[in-house]
Amino acid sequence: GNSVTQMEGPVTLSEEAFLTINCTYTATGYPSLFWYVQYPGEGLQLLLKATKADDKGSNKGFEATYRKETTSFHLEKGSVQVSDSAVYFCALSESSNQGGKLIFGQGTELSVKP
Amino acid sequence: GAGVSQSPRYKVAKRGQDVALRCDPISGHVSLFWYQQALGQGPEFLTYFQNEAQLDKSGLPSDRFFAERPEGSVSTLKIQRTQQEDSAVYLCASSATGTEQYFGPGTRLTVT
Repeated sequence: GNSVTQMEGPVTLSEEAFLTINCTYTATGYPSLFWYVQYPGEGLQLLLKATKADDKGSNKGFEATYRKETTSFHLEKGSVQVSDSAVYFCALSESSNQGGKLIFGQGTELSVKP
Repeated sequence: GAGVSQSPRYKVAKRGQDVALRCDPISGHVSLFWYQQALGQGPEFLTYFQNEAQLDKSGLPSDRFFAERPEGSVSTLKIQRTQQEDSAVYLCASSATGTEQYFGPGTRLTVT
C-alpha cells in the first residue's frame, strides 16, 4: 500500500542554519504531496503542497520539490528561526476517488536554538 | 475566522465507557475526514464522508468505532466500550475540493 517515510528526529539546529528534512514515498498513480506543520499546542497546518512531478511548493521560506524519479519530497529552508521549532509531517494524498485521504509520515521534530 | 472546531478538547474516560467526539467543519465543506494520532506518531486515517455519505471507513480499527454525519455538516465519532489502546488525539479535517484539508485542534482522549 501507499506509505510515507520521513527522517527521524529530533533535529536540533542553530538559528540561521540550513534545514533539510527528508521524505520519500511509495504510491501507485500520481499522488499529491504535502508538508504539514504542528506548532507546540496547536493543530496541524498546511505548510506547502505540490500536485504533480517537478512542481515546487513554497511558503514562509520553506520549499519542497516533487521528484517522481526518486519518489521524494524533501523539505528545505535556507535559514531557520527559533519560531520554526515544531513537528513537520510529510503526507501524500491518494487518488481523488477516495476523497483525497492523507497518508502521513511519522513526523520530524525540529528544535531551533538561538 | 471560522475554522474547524472540535469538542471536547480533552476527554478522560474509564475503560469500558462510551465516548462521543464532535466535529464542526468549515461551512460549506463537502468532505470530512477523521484521523487518529497516537503519541509521537503521524495521524492515521479513520474514515471519510462526502456530504452525509460515508464513502470510506477502512481505517476504523474495530467495530467499536462508529462515525456519522447525518445532515452533511457536523460529524460525530463514537467509540464504544473504550480500551486503553484507544487513547490518542482524534483529528477532524474538512475540505472543499478534496485536496487541501483543514484540520481542527483535535480531541485528546485518555482512557484510564
